[in-house]
Amino acid sequence: GQNIDQPTEMTATEGAIVQINCTYQTSGFNGLFWYQQHAGEAPTFLSYNVLDGLEEKGRFSSFLSRSKGYSYLLLKELQMKDSASYLCAAMDSNYQLIWGAGTKLIIKP
Amino acid sequence: SQTIHQWPATLVQPVGSPLSLECTVEGTSNPNLYWYRQAAGRGLQLLFYSVGIGQISSEVPQNLSASRPQDRQFILSSKKLLLSDSGFYLCAWSVQGTEPVSPLHFGNGTRLTVT
Repeated sequence: GQNIDQPTEMTATEGAIVQINCTYQTSGFNGLFWYQQHAGEAPTFLSYNVLDGLEEKGRFSSFLSRSKGYSYLLLKELQMKDSASYLCAAMDSNYQLIWGAGTKLIIKP
Repeated sequence: SQTIHQWPATLVQPVGSPLSLECTVEGTSNPNLYWYRQAAGRGLQLLFYSVGIGQISSEVPQNLSASRPQDRQFILSSKKLLLSDSGFYLCAWSVQGTEPVSPLHFGNGTRLTVT
């Protein structure tokens, strides 16, 4: 079957760095997405990886290893506004997204 | 630029009543359209997706239905709501046939409470 695993909750300190991991199993693979979702709001797109390696966008970076079925989202210089859920989603061979349940990130001062 | 509108933002409906949620996209043509539901503290569940007018694929058997009467309009309906239909409903769109693939862009969502 198809599956996405990511931690349920993580806590980090303002100004620090946090890495949110995601492992996936899909029938075929057409890329991995990360979304940010603040409480009560819709998800917003953060990043897309289809090739192995690291993609950097400002304070956020996303890494993919296709051979390991593994991705992570790296958040640097954490700010209180980064408190949110982070959703990992893998796209299968039919271009359908398989979603993880999300990682709730709590930032403490 | 493209925008997506979804309404209403919140809705409280009694069990057995009908439902109609509407979503429209502006600034793009022939988008893929999606309806998702998110239960509290859970992941996104795909309900319906559409690649064109009148073309609807259903992912989960339920008492909901979807229609796409116009290219950029997507409607989620129910004839009789159940308590289990409560949740956060999200409409989304993506560009068809791009390389690399297009991300999904979500509307602001409708929080539905069935009482």
